[in-house]
Amino acid sequence: AQSVTQLDSQVPVFEEAPVELRCNYSSSVSVYLFWYVQYPNQGLQLLLKYLSGSTLVKGINGFEAEFNKSQTSFHLRKPSVHISDTAEYFCALGAGNNRKLIWGLGTSLAVNP
Amino acid sequence: GAGVSQSPSNKVTEKGKDVELRCDPISGHTALYWYRQRLGQGLEFLIYFQGNSAPDKSGLPSDRFSAERTGESVSTLTIQRTQQEDSAVYLCASSSSTGIYGYTFGSGTRLTVV
Repeated sequence: AQSVTQLDSQVPVFEEAPVELRCNYSSSVSVYLFWYVQYPNQGLQLLLKYLSGSTLVKGINGFEAEFNKSQTSFHLRKPSVHISDTAEYFCALGAGNNRKLIWGLGTSLAVNP
Repeated sequence: GAGVSQSPSNKVTEKGKDVELRCDPISGHTALYWYRQRLGQGLEFLIYFQGNSAPDKSGLPSDRFSAERTGESVSTLTIQRTQQEDSAVYLCASSSSTGIYGYTFGSGTRLTVV
């Protein structure tokens, strides 16, 4: 069975500071991984995905994530956040032929001036 | 269509009434998913369609919940005899048959049972 753990439920940060949102996973088969963002009162939007190949993936809005197989992690980073990055961030995992993604519980990022 | 469309965007209903929520997926997406998101919570899987069959309906919380899909297009989630605990945002997503490229979500239907 697969699982996804987002280690921080809330992350407060000041504007222009760097941020890392942590995601760890568990799977006995090969995985593909996603980060989604949910702005207030909106649906989820794909930020970036790792399917295979380069372990550093870049997404929209200046975010990037690194797939680390040995650490079973897929942490999301941004070097300098904006107020507009305030949102809920979800990490999700797909594995093998299972089309149903496994979701983390989300991390609420609050960017303060 | 260009994106996943859900309707209505908001629905207020009285306890005990039935409601229907609609999802129109991206054209060509064979897979369709329904999720529930309670206030401040994560995503709760409800049901998954591949074409018009539902290989996984394990997340439907009770027999008051049902869903159907016409071919590879519109899906309807029906909640009968609504209860206050059904209040939530219901999200629909669609994907290619494998889902490997991720899901595209609609904006959701906010259901309030009073």
